[in-house]
Amino acid sequence: DTEVTQTPKHLVMGMTNKKSLKCEQHMGHRAMYWYKQKAKKPPELMFVYSYEKLSINESVPSRFSPECPNSSLLNLHLHALQPEDSALYLCASSQYTGIQPQHFGDGTRLSIL
Amino acid sequence: AQRVTQPEKLLSVFKGAPVELKCNYSYSGSPELFWYVQYSRQRLQLLLRHISRESIKGFTADLNKGETSFHLKKPFAQEEDSAMYYCALSGSRNAGNMLTFGGGTRLMVKP
Repeated sequence: DTEVTQTPKHLVMGMTNKKSLKCEQHMGHRAMYWYKQKAKKPPELMFVYSYEKLSINESVPSRFSPECPNSSLLNLHLHALQPEDSALYLCASSQYTGIQPQHFGDGTRLSIL
Repeated sequence: AQRVTQPEKLLSVFKGAPVELKCNYSYSGSPELFWYVQYSRQRLQLLLRHISRESIKGFTADLNKGETSFHLKKPFAQEEDSAMYYCALSGSRNAGNMLTFGGGTRLMVKP
């Protein structure tokens, strides 16, 4: 399996809802990432996990809460989001946290009402 | 700080014409540069990385440290090359691998 799988593909939620985005990879990669991509813009790094530990948080608001339960799974818990948080959320993984190519999932398209 | 600049948002060429997508970077250390491509309705995928020094789908890119550039080139564009291209720089910080993307260039190859 050489893919990064993200679920759901689409999510619509209200500002008071709590939801989670999921990401899974079975390539044995030990580094996983969350990115946010607005329309017609490049991906922007949010979080980096290395060996299931959070190593980089790019000053992301606390309404986004990442979790890495094991080396294959990465979650992004969402609570009290704002309309400006509507975007495509991409998960990626790489073999290690050294300088390695990253493999991306298809993303979850999130819309906040 | 690391920064990647792609000066052209859109590049339109005819099939068979040469293509050059420009990328300039700023980084205080020794950079690792990548080109990622996103075809219509497909996921972002790695096209090539500078240390591989290989040609993928006819594309090549050379790292020029003097000019801090990593331009992507192809001698004869094909219609199937139409896509969004992102130049990216990888630098280490706090034991994490940070990938910084340029703004992207949309390549349109006309028949």
